[in-house]
Amino acid sequence: GAVVSQHPSRVICKSGTSVKIECRSLDFQATTMFWYRQFPKKSLMLMATSNEGSKATYEQGVEKDKFLINHASLTLSTLTVTSAHPEDSSFYICSASDLRDSYEQYFGPGTRLTVT
Amino acid sequence: AQSVTQLDSHVSVSEGTPVLLRCNYSSSYSPSLFWYVQHPNKGLQLLLKYTSAATLVKGINGFEAEFKKSETSFHLTKPSAHMSDAAEYFCVVSGGYNKLIFGAGTRLAVHP
Repeated sequence: GAVVSQHPSRVICKSGTSVKIECRSLDFQATTMFWYRQFPKKSLMLMATSNEGSKATYEQGVEKDKFLINHASLTLSTLTVTSAHPEDSSFYICSASDLRDSYEQYFGPGTRLTVT
Repeated sequence: AQSVTQLDSHVSVSEGTPVLLRCNYSSSYSPSLFWYVQHPNKGLQLLLKYTSAATLVKGINGFEAEFKKSETSFHLTKPSAHMSDAAEYFCVVSGGYNKLIFGAGTRLAVHP
């Protein structure tokens, strides 16, 4: 149980375009989803926290107009990287929790974004 | 503020020998601590967690960790390494509001 999927697993886009990444909880309802960014050979940095039906809470230094997060249902959150630039290339990982049950976060497999 | 420091960026062991991955934490309150493993192109998997119960925590795949408040440490150990243990390991502390704060990671290599 507690499986989280991400789609796509890899995406290449051109500078200036936007790309959407989906995060789904497959067998549980996620009241809260988290988006992380992982640079090569680096640790995970929390970008934002989203609660179903509410606006996301962004960490300091994360541009909310560039990284649009939507959590419209209890099983789906999306991260849209708008007007992507090469420096946005990274590994993006989501996690999901059902805070009605426990505080444990279940992680997705990640999405590798490359902006050319 | 909460933080974690993983003392080794790389650890290399031979198959069948013990594993020790070191982690020190800083927390202004009694922390929850976790170890996660990340295999290449796979998601993060929770190995074990400490949440103020027993100080010696047993996890999956033979891993365990001991919470030592006096040393502010939460080192991960395994008596005998297996080739399949080769991966990236993250020590993580809860940062409040259900947030997780990750250490820099330790890459474990296991040689035959």
